[in-house]
Amino acid sequence: KAGVTQTPRYLIKTRGQQVTLSCSPISGHRSVSWYQQTPGQGLQFLFEYFSETQRNKGNFPGRFSGRQFSNSRSEMNVSTLELGDSALYLCASSFSTETQYFGPGTRLLVL
Amino acid sequence: AQRVTQPEKLLSVFKGAPVELKCNYSYSGSPELFWYVQYSRQRLQLLLRHISRESIKGFTADLNKGETSFHLKKPFAQEEDSAMYYCALKPGSSNTGKLIFGQGTTLQVKP
Repeated sequence: KAGVTQTPRYLIKTRGQQVTLSCSPISGHRSVSWYQQTPGQGLQFLFEYFSETQRNKGNFPGRFSGRQFSNSRSEMNVSTLELGDSALYLCASSFSTETQYFGPGTRLLVL
Repeated sequence: AQRVTQPEKLLSVFKGAPVELKCNYSYSGSPELFWYVQYSRQRLQLLLRHISRESIKGFTADLNKGETSFHLKKPFAQEEDSAMYYCALKPGSSNTGKLIFGQGTTLQVKP
């Protein structure tokens, strides 16, 4: 099976802009979780979607949002970007609640 | 509070020496514990999970509920073990794929 894919791999934005990241899970997986990875905070859970519904949410401001489509592909959106949003954004997929398989990440740089 | 603590940012050992990567957790219920590994330029991947009680690449980890620890051990380190290791917790009672990660420990195995 093909692994989790994320697009784009790299992104440069300026403060105040918004950005949309995409994640395609492993075929058959219905759960997609998003994480933010930074040198200071490490890996932090953003949210999880399962069958097009948000199943869990981390402690991030409302500027961070996501959605999942009927084919289980997921997108996350960050509005009004801040410098501190610069990070590696990882998505992970699983069938339900089992082992998470991670994608390569999207590296976002906010200038 | 749900928390995972990895007290060492860097652990440096010589090839052939024993390795122990420490992980302590804070959780009131019965969590599932995992170790994830990230080799250079590769994506985050599952190394082992406590419920399977298996040994992967010579690594083992035992859940000690009394000490709330899940230390990762290997009797003889190899250079190819050099990587970033993350301990992670999944709330056991939750119907979710959410993972809470520690800050990670870089293992450096010197020749």
